[in-house]
Amino acid sequence: ETGVTQSPTHLIKTRGQQVTLRCSSQSGHNTVSWYQQALGQGPQFIFQYYREEENGRGNFPPRFSGLQFPNYSSELNVNALELDDSALYLCASSGTSDGDTQYFGPGTRLTVL
Amino acid sequence: GQNIDQPTEMTATEGAIVQINCTYQTSGFNGLFWYQQHAGEAPTFLSYNVLDGLEEKGRFSSFLSRSKGYSYLLLKELQMKDSASYLCAVKKDSNYQLIWGAGTKLIIKP
Repeated sequence: ETGVTQSPTHLIKTRGQQVTLRCSSQSGHNTVSWYQQALGQGPQFIFQYYREEENGRGNFPPRFSGLQFPNYSSELNVNALELDDSALYLCASSGTSDGDTQYFGPGTRLTVL
Repeated sequence: GQNIDQPTEMTATEGAIVQINCTYQTSGFNGLFWYQQHAGEAPTFLSYNVLDGLEEKGRFSSFLSRSKGYSYLLLKELQMKDSASYLCAVKKDSNYQLIWGAGTKLIIKP
C-alpha cells in the first residue's frame, strides 16, 4: 500500500505566474482535500474532491482551482500568483475504509517572489 | 462562526507528562482529530475521538467532552523527538472538511 505523494517538493515562482501542484492519493481512498498552511498557522481548507466532483470549498478566491482524476489523484492550480500565496500546500486523502481519517502527503513548499 | 483554540506554546521536561488542551466552537461536530507536525513536515495522524471519554494509544491519550466543546491530548514519558507542533482539528457535520486550530508548539527540554 503506497502513501500519499505530492509533487513537486519545492517550487519558486514569480508574481502573476500560474502553478500546478499534484497529489496521488493513498490506495483505497477516493477523497482528496487540499490545504494551505502558512508558517506558524494551522492548515486552511482550500477544497475537497470526492469521486471527481468538488465536495466543499473554503474561503479561497476562484483563481484557486482543482480537479480529480478517475484514479483519484488530484491537481491544485493557482493562477495569477500573489506574494501571499507563498506557503506549504498539503494534500490529504481519506476514505470510508479508514474511518474518514485524513492522511497527508509531504507537501509542496511554494515560494512566490 | 468556527473557532478552535489551543495554547500557542508549551514547554515540558524529558520523561514528564504534558497535557495539551483544545476548545472548539463549531456549527457542527462529527469528531475531533489530533495530529503531530514536525517543523517543515506534513501532519501525521495521532488520534480520533467522536464519543466522550478517553482514548489511549501507547504514550499518547486523547480525551473528548462534547458538552464542553473540549479535548486534550496527553503525552506521557516525553522524549526529545516529541518536540513538534500538535494540531487539533474538528470534522464538521457529515462531510470531510476539517477545521484546524493553529497548533501548539511543544518544546521538550532535557
